[in-house]
Amino acid sequence: GEDVEQSLFLSVREGDSSVINCTYTDSSSTYLYWYKQEPGAGLQLLTYIFSNMDMKQDQRLTVLLNKKDKHLSLRIADTQTGDSAIYFCAESIGNSGYALNFGKGTSLLVTP
Amino acid sequence: DVKVTQSSRYLVKRTGEKVFLECVQDMDHENMFWYRQDPGLGLRLIYFSYDVKMKEKGDIPEGYSVSREKKERFSLILESASTNQTSMYLCASGRLSAKNIQYFGAGTRLSVL
Repeated sequence: GEDVEQSLFLSVREGDSSVINCTYTDSSSTYLYWYKQEPGAGLQLLTYIFSNMDMKQDQRLTVLLNKKDKHLSLRIADTQTGDSAIYFCAESIGNSGYALNFGKGTSLLVTP
Repeated sequence: DVKVTQSSRYLVKRTGEKVFLECVQDMDHENMFWYRQDPGLGLRLIYFSYDVKMKEKGDIPEGYSVSREKKERFSLILESASTNQTSMYLCASGRLSAKNIQYFGAGTRLSVL
């Protein structure tokens, strides 16, 4: 299928905000997701947003959705060294009902 | 908490061997998935299953097969392992619902020599 696009790397200082961007492909996607992968581990669901929402906030995480541009972003406030990980954007695939289409992941490095 | 358990964290096999990767989930999920993860390529779907004995090909099924004899268990089989199948393999499960959230195991890092 078409690619979900993410930048590959992001480096921020501890305490700053991080913004990870994603462009998805399927305008009929009903849900969009952010997953986190720590070194040597599987993927952990961070948050998801329903396609009829523009924004979702969950503690330090803010998700913004622009359906017109098919653009999704994840903002992490007060970024900590423990937030260093790979972050994956994913979309539910139209009518499949089952599969998710993942981006290649953004490696976030948080420096002291 | 949802638990998805992959039988091995690390495996080393030889070219031509038949390899079984096992995945078990404890949440009575209908859907189960196998992905492989490679640097620069992200996650690619190999196969998925939406019910016992049902399977669907993903994006890269060549060289793989799967088995789902029981709802909680989904096995990935490499019929004749090759060096290009050296990768991290991730299993996931999820409920058949609109949210389609997938829960992942810790992964199996397979090296084929």
